[in-house]
Amino acid sequence: DIQVTQSPSSLSASVGDRVTITCQASHDITNYLIWYQQKPGKAPKLLIYDASDLETGVPSRFSGSGSGTEFTFTITSLQPEDVATYYCQQYDIVPWSFGQGTKLEIK
Amino acid sequence: HVQLQESGPGLVKPSQTLSLTCTVSNGSISSGSYYWNWIRQPAGKGLEWIGRIYTSGSTDYNPSLKSRVTISIDTSKNQFSLKLTSVTAADTAMYYCSMYYYHSGRWWFDPWGQGTLVTVSS
Repeated sequence: DIQVTQSPSSLSASVGDRVTITCQASHDITNYLIWYQQKPGKAPKLLIYDASDLETGVPSRFSGSGSGTEFTFTITSLQPEDVATYYCQQYDIVPWSFGQGTKLEIK
Repeated sequence: HVQLQESGPGLVKPSQTLSLTCTVSNGSISSGSYYWNWIRQPAGKGLEWIGRIYTSGSTDYNPSLKSRVTISIDTSKNQFSLKLTSVTAADTAMYYCSMYYYHSGRWWFDPWGQGTLVTVSS
């Protein structure tokens, strides 16, 4: 099975800040990585697929990069509505596996 | 996008079988080459992929649950289902269904269902 290690587990930043979250896969997953945003009481929402492609309708302040085993998710200018928990997930090999999540808060 | 809606008992007794259904609307479960998934999330914790069923009926399960899980498709009702046997309190979670498919050179991930909370308790 592929293990996905996400960090940090929590993050506090100010409105307008640049925020970065990383995920490391235990094996090469090429670019088969998704980033989800989950707000309390809601299902996860797809933001980024194929490691770096922005889902239609998602604001351009969200971006993803990386390939192989190292991946990065960035919010270029944090907004109040971005408060949520963010997850990465690999879909290269079953069983799919998720990162542990990053809880993002506003200072 | 298709729309997905989970349903089933909210309370299951320990050692019994958890049975959930995901109803598909705005699309046919049997047309096209789709993967239908179940994912769960204990309260305050992370996400765990349970398994998937392909339109053809072939399945893949998480090895951690494989001995207890069955996912099936009912094309007549446009639904797919999850059965998890011998449940314990550790199976208490929000259960989500989702769908994805490959088309025009990329994978497409439709929005998940809203989820259904299952509590295992006597």
